[in-house]
Amino acid sequence: AQSVTQPDIHITVSEGASLELRCNYSYGATPYLFWYVQSPGQGLQLLLKYFSGDTLVQGIKGFEAEFKRSQSSFNLRKPSVHWSDAAEYFCAVGLFSGGYNKLIFGAGTRLAVHP
Amino acid sequence: DAGVIQSPRHEVTEMGQEVTLRCKPISGHDYLFWYRQTMMRGLELLIYFNNNVPIDDSGMPEDRFSAKMPNASFSTLKIQPSEPRDSAVYFCASSLKDEQYFGPGTRLTVT
Repeated sequence: AQSVTQPDIHITVSEGASLELRCNYSYGATPYLFWYVQSPGQGLQLLLKYFSGDTLVQGIKGFEAEFKRSQSSFNLRKPSVHWSDAAEYFCAVGLFSGGYNKLIFGAGTRLAVHP
Repeated sequence: DAGVIQSPRHEVTEMGQEVTLRCKPISGHDYLFWYRQTMMRGLELLIYFNNNVPIDDSGMPEDRFSAKMPNASFSTLKIQPSEPRDSAVYFCASSLKDEQYFGPGTRLTVT
């Protein structure tokens, strides 16, 4: 069955430090992959997506992610974290069928940023 | 565009009462999704519509839950009767093609 694993429930980093959030997926074919961010009390905002082509994708707010087929991973990175990046981050795999992407979400990683 | 609009943002109700959550998708989007988010189960897809027609409601937990989409600009999710275990944040999302755009959610508390 298709699934998404985010191994880290909570991560704390210092402002200005680099960040990597891990995401592993289980899917038989090349998936559509997404990262969403959820700030407290808010809905989910799309950070970036991968459908095909260049395996390193750039997103909003200075985030990037790299698709590694051999590792079934799609890790999210940012070179220098800002205090405003504190939020919950969700990785999702899109199962494109019947004309739309059914999203399977990971459990999320909550990011705290220390000044 | 104003994005996906949900109302109310917060709802507190007593067990046994009927609850109706509302959603206005982004204009022009032909897919609409209802999700539920809880600490225990994370984000779950409840039901989705395409061109106002319900396509897959396999995620709807019980018959107490129902959803409608009478036109392209409005959808409702109804719980009747509500139970404390329905307490969660309910999100509506809409999409035209590959990306889903989420509303701010409705936080439901059933006491």
